[in-house]
Amino acid sequence: GENVEQHPSTLSVQEGDSAVIKCTYSDSASNYFPWYKQELGKRPQLIIDIRSNVGEKKDQRIAVTLNKTAKHFSLHITETQPEDSAVYFCAASLLSNDYKLSFGAGTTVTVRA
Amino acid sequence: DVKVTQSSRYLVKRTGEKVFLECVQDMDHENMFWYRQDPGLGLRLIYFSYDVKMKEKGDIPEGYSVSREKKERFSLILESASTNQTSMYLCASSQRQSGKKETQYFGPGTRLLVL
Repeated sequence: GENVEQHPSTLSVQEGDSAVIKCTYSDSASNYFPWYKQELGKRPQLIIDIRSNVGEKKDQRIAVTLNKTAKHFSLHITETQPEDSAVYFCAASLLSNDYKLSFGAGTTVTVRA
Repeated sequence: DVKVTQSSRYLVKRTGEKVFLECVQDMDHENMFWYRQDPGLGLRLIYFSYDVKMKEKGDIPEGYSVSREKKERFSLILESASTNQTSMYLCASSQRQSGKKETQYFGPGTRLLVL
């Protein structure tokens, strides 16, 4: 099955700086890569996703890049704000009827004011 | 707005008890999932279902079973609870059709403590 590794496990950044989280996956057939954000005490929510037919996707201060050859993808958060403090999970999936996701272990991001 | 609800936010059970965790979604989603979340391990898939009465094992099904008698409801059953099943349990649902419908919507979670 798919194995997703995520680094770092914790990340502390100064407000206004950038944060980068990296994930690698094992199954070259995977073609869908979402990122979920979980604020303290709340449920995970999708913040951005990318399919294997594109290399980069942006949504305001958030961007995701994908390198299919190397089987890794990254989340980039620019101009970090206190509300970006959360646990971020990457995931990989082979798009099919079940859309089963394999998640990374998570990265706890703390934005220092 | 998609709404996924779980029957309890907190649950305390004794070792050996049979435990039922209920999940209900109101968006007519075909796919439903049960995960457990543990620090440093992320979200691990226990079971999923892509249709009524259908179920598939995830990565860690041992000690668990599931039931999907109705499309909107997916139940996780711990036949005989053990202390190593103390965890946060998250339910999720998603549509089946491809396109921009792959998003999994999560419930608020049930924090289970087995004594």
